[in-house]
Amino acid sequence: NAGVTQTPKFQVLKTGQSMTLQCAQDMNHNSMYWYRQDPGMGLRLIYYSASEGTTDKGEVPNGYNVSRLNKREFSLRLESAAPSQTSVYFCASSERDYGYTFGSGTRLTVV
Amino acid sequence: AQSVTQLDSQVPVFEEAPVELRCNYSSSVSVYLFWYVQYPNQGLQLLLKYLSGSTLVKGINGFEAEFNKSQTSFHLRKPSVHISDTAEYFCAVSGLGTYKYIFGTGTRLKVLA
Repeated sequence: NAGVTQTPKFQVLKTGQSMTLQCAQDMNHNSMYWYRQDPGMGLRLIYYSASEGTTDKGEVPNGYNVSRLNKREFSLRLESAAPSQTSVYFCASSERDYGYTFGSGTRLTVV
Repeated sequence: AQSVTQLDSQVPVFEEAPVELRCNYSSSVSVYLFWYVQYPNQGLQLLLKYLSGSTLVKGINGFEAEFNKSQTSFHLRKPSVHISDTAEYFCAVSGLGTYKYIFGTGTRLKVLA
């Protein structure tokens, strides 16, 4: 009963380095999302994938790219990390309007 | 487009007292509404949701919320809180037929002994 699994849980990057955050869900949900959470700002949508084969920008897409590898997996890539990307990143999945299921998050620090 | 306002960033309350966490939304279309809870260092967990039907929605852990279309509000209530309810609570809205949820900035509920 894993739900949504995110890896890694913690990461420290140097400015300019790249990395990929992985997300996988085992609930056969069609839609997947990447959010970032910053103090006092709630959750902001970075990218989402309404269904396999489609991706769309959210509220704060700059500096990020995504890949919907298959129905289960949705990865988020930082090509050249910046200190402003220090945040907690959450992946979520959903089926229609039944509500999101969230992963446990990735805490990223860019120094 | 939709937006959500959570009017209180922090709410302290004594154990066994009632609590109300406020949420107002703005939308030009019909909406679905949600409340999520986040315990320290964890992901978000769905508390309850309003999709249609009865405007009073009951969720997990004794929480309930009332959808008020005229006031564009979806306030969360619990008649008697416990120490274990200490967490951050997020209100979220999505327009019918859209996939994206817009989240409020959160309310930190601190239950005092």
